[in-house]
Amino acid sequence: DAGVTQSPTHLIKTRGQQVTLRCSPKSGHDTVSWYQQALGQGPQFIFQYYEEEERQRGNFPDRFSGHQFPNYSSELNVNALLLGDSALYLCASSFGAGFLSPLHFGNGTRLTVT
Amino acid sequence: GNSVTQMEGPVTLSEEAFLTINCTYTATGYPSLFWYVQYPGEGLQLLLKATKADDKGSNKGFEATYRKETTSFHLEKGSVQVSDSAVYFCALKINAGGTSYGKLTFGQGTILTVHP
Repeated sequence: DAGVTQSPTHLIKTRGQQVTLRCSPKSGHDTVSWYQQALGQGPQFIFQYYEEEERQRGNFPDRFSGHQFPNYSSELNVNALLLGDSALYLCASSFGAGFLSPLHFGNGTRLTVT
Repeated sequence: GNSVTQMEGPVTLSEEAFLTINCTYTATGYPSLFWYVQYPGEGLQLLLKATKADDKGSNKGFEATYRKETTSFHLEKGSVQVSDSAVYFCALKINAGGTSYGKLTFGQGTILTVHP
């Protein structure tokens, strides 16, 4: 049974470019959350998608956007990349969006902005 | 707002030593508390959790007790192994009724290195 899978594993982009990161949730899960983990820091919540809608959002600018597809997979898009966007981006899935739903994390996508 | 503060690392121990990693929190609601572990090159794995005051979470020899009076959730293990070397994150989730969609608030992480 596959867990949460993310692609690509690593990515290098230039300032000002746009990037799309992808996530497939664990089998049976319908909710996807995205987190940004800067080097040496804890993960920071970006947003959560449930039933193809953004349900909750952290303190991230509108340059960060997302989408959830009918098969529950999700994309994270970042426009106008800044050097400070360099980080490990983690996807987490769960069954149901509520408080009691345990999260399962993928191994992340390492984004480097030069 | 909600926040989690962990003891600063890195923590370096010899095998079979006793481990404590301190974690305190501030929360505007009623939190559940978690410890996650991140091994090199991997995502986060749930280590243990506690959902109400005085609950003790335990897994793989690790324990943590939810102390509401001191707003703490310290992680302990009686005898660490080399394989426990990883980054440990304390986190909380607030139950705010129907609008709570499972957002986790993490501490900054504590690097643990265990030497043979």
